[in-house]
Amino acid sequence: EAGVAQSPRYKIIEKRQSVAFWCNPISGHATLYWYQQILGQGPKLLIQFQNNGVVDDSQLPKDRFSAERLKGVDSTLKIQPAKLEDSAVYLCASSFLTGDYNEQFFGPGTRLTVL
Amino acid sequence: AQSVTQLDSQVPVFEEAPVELRCNYSSSVSVYLFWYVQYPNQGLQLLLKYLSGSTLVKGINGFEAEFNKSQTSFHLRKPSVHISDTAEYFCAVRDGSARQLTFGSGTQLTVLP
Repeated sequence: EAGVAQSPRYKIIEKRQSVAFWCNPISGHATLYWYQQILGQGPKLLIQFQNNGVVDDSQLPKDRFSAERLKGVDSTLKIQPAKLEDSAVYLCASSFLTGDYNEQFFGPGTRLTVL
Repeated sequence: AQSVTQLDSQVPVFEEAPVELRCNYSSSVSVYLFWYVQYPNQGLQLLLKYLSGSTLVKGINGFEAEFNKSQTSFHLRKPSVHISDTAEYFCAVRDGSARQLTFGSGTQLTVLP
């Protein structure tokens, strides 16, 4: 079974530039998550989708971050314009939507460096 | 809001020695508890989880954890570590009613030869 795919794996940009990350979840997984992991910290949820609808985006900085999952499969996370403090690893995860608990499967992440 | 504290940011240990990685969470009526492992340049992989039932949970790679409700702890243990266990370990908590996981700041386990 293929895992969660993310691209690119690494990205270096200058502040005020724009950047986009792509995620393809495990086939059949209805729920998709984007996390931000700053060096030395645990992952922090940015946004959660169920199919193509947003379930939770309470911690997404909406003035500069946006995300979409138009067809309920793959997803794109965008930052525009980037700030130095956005340097982090951006992790995508997916899960089935059954029962009280759904195990999240994580992709390898995209490491963003903002100069 | 739920919070998770991992008391040790770095734990060095010699190969074949036992190890315990500590995790405490803020109190809640019901919680689901998890330990994830992250190898360099990889995503997180689930080691084990506590949902209900027996408080001693066994996971992959010989790890186990014990849920202690009175102390709001979920410490991870392994009786004998290997070089290949070198990685970062994250404790995470999900409230019974919450939709999201809250992660601790991680513990870097380094196994020395």
